[in-house]
Amino acid sequence: AQSVAQPEDQVNVAEGNPLTVKCTYSVSGNPYLFWYVQYPNRGLQFLLKYITGDNLVKGSYGFEAEFNKSQTSFHLKKPSALVSDSALYFCAVRDWWQAGTALIFGKGTTLSVSS
Amino acid sequence: NAGVTQTPKFQVLKTGQSMTLQCAQDMNHNSMYWYRQDPGMGLRLIYYSASEGTTDKGEVPNGYNVSRLNKREFSLRLESAAPSQTSVYFCASMGGAGLGPQPQHFGDGTRLSIL
Repeated sequence: AQSVAQPEDQVNVAEGNPLTVKCTYSVSGNPYLFWYVQYPNRGLQFLLKYITGDNLVKGSYGFEAEFNKSQTSFHLKKPSALVSDSALYFCAVRDWWQAGTALIFGKGTTLSVSS
Repeated sequence: NAGVTQTPKFQVLKTGQSMTLQCAQDMNHNSMYWYRQDPGMGLRLIYYSASEGTTDKGEVPNGYNVSRLNKREFSLRLESAAPSQTSVYFCASMGGAGLGPQPQHFGDGTRLSIL
């Protein structure tokens, strides 16, 4: 079965500094990887996905993610953090179920950006 | 665009009561999903529906039933609520068009508390 791991429960950065939220994956076959963000009392919002091709994927709100096959990682990055980026971030991998596909999520990383 | 709409937003139940969580999407998506979110555990798949007329169990289906009423609507029913089902429930949908795996679109959740 596919799985993802987010090794950090919380990441703290100062506004204006670069941020990285880590994700590692374990899959059989080609990985299809996603990042989502969740703001308080809201649903998950899609940020970006990796299917194939360039290892650096650009997404919404200035976020990007770097796919590294040898390290089985898919870290989320942003060059300059904003206070408004403070939220809960989920890494996910597509998995095959009996009659279709669904996402397997990591446990989430809380990003806190201080002013 | 409404996207994915979930009702109710909040609900308090007593142990043993039943209720149905409603979900509707207006994006003409084939696939729909129910997840539960618990602190420190990410999102876990309860049931999914790959297309109208089909439903299948996910990772944590015990205590739940679902109905794919039509292409737009996918409901989740708790027949006899238990305190362990206190959680935030998210509905999601996914289209099949486009190049490669598509992102899921999430509703804002139903916060369910069972006393």
